[in-house]
Amino acid sequence: DQQVKQNSPSLSVQEGRISILNCDYTNSMFDYFLWYKKYPAEGPTFLISISSIKDKNEDGRFTVFLNKSAKHLSLHIVPSQPGDSAVYFCAARSGANSKLTFGKGITLSVRP
Amino acid sequence: DVKVTQSSRYLVKRTGEKVFLECVQDMDHENMFWYRQDPGLGLRLIYFSYDVKMKEKGDIPEGYSVSREKKERFSLILESASTNQTSMYLCASSAQENTIYFGEGSWLTVV
Repeated sequence: DQQVKQNSPSLSVQEGRISILNCDYTNSMFDYFLWYKKYPAEGPTFLISISSIKDKNEDGRFTVFLNKSAKHLSLHIVPSQPGDSAVYFCAARSGANSKLTFGKGITLSVRP
Repeated sequence: DVKVTQSSRYLVKRTGEKVFLECVQDMDHENMFWYRQDPGLGLRLIYFSYDVKMKEKGDIPEGYSVSREKKERFSLILESASTNQTSMYLCASSAQENTIYFGEGSWLTVV
């Protein structure tokens, strides 16, 4: 039972345009959501997070939106840069100190 | 900066060998985790630990065990390596806060 779903395996966008990466979840107990970015042969690095009490969190070019009623979150990258090309994982947890549940990841390619 | 160090980046082992993957974190984090990453399957949790000498099974613990004798060190053990355990293994740690931090990963090939 996949509780965190990233249904699109890949996304390709033009440099300078917006990248929108989507994530859906099924567990209504999830209260905290994170995005990680991973380059090949490296460990994932934390990108941005959002608590379930918020619907938006912004950090520079990265914005995460949370729609609790739809159990959906999205990561927006504006403007996209070639260095953003990587695999992006959505993750969620329910309660402090609980484990993170990850999606399968989406590969973003930003074309120069 | 948080530092999670996995001592071995690339290993090749034979089927049936016992394999140790070591992980050390330098931020006095209570929680430590072992994940594996496989194409199309994302990150799957093998084991985690909330404190010294404590361990909890994750989603795919079969074929693995762990050891946490010191707070900063969390070891993953493959008692008898098999070819289906060829993968990238990721160690991570976190404090009581929400973010977990990953190491660089260990690529294990079992032949």
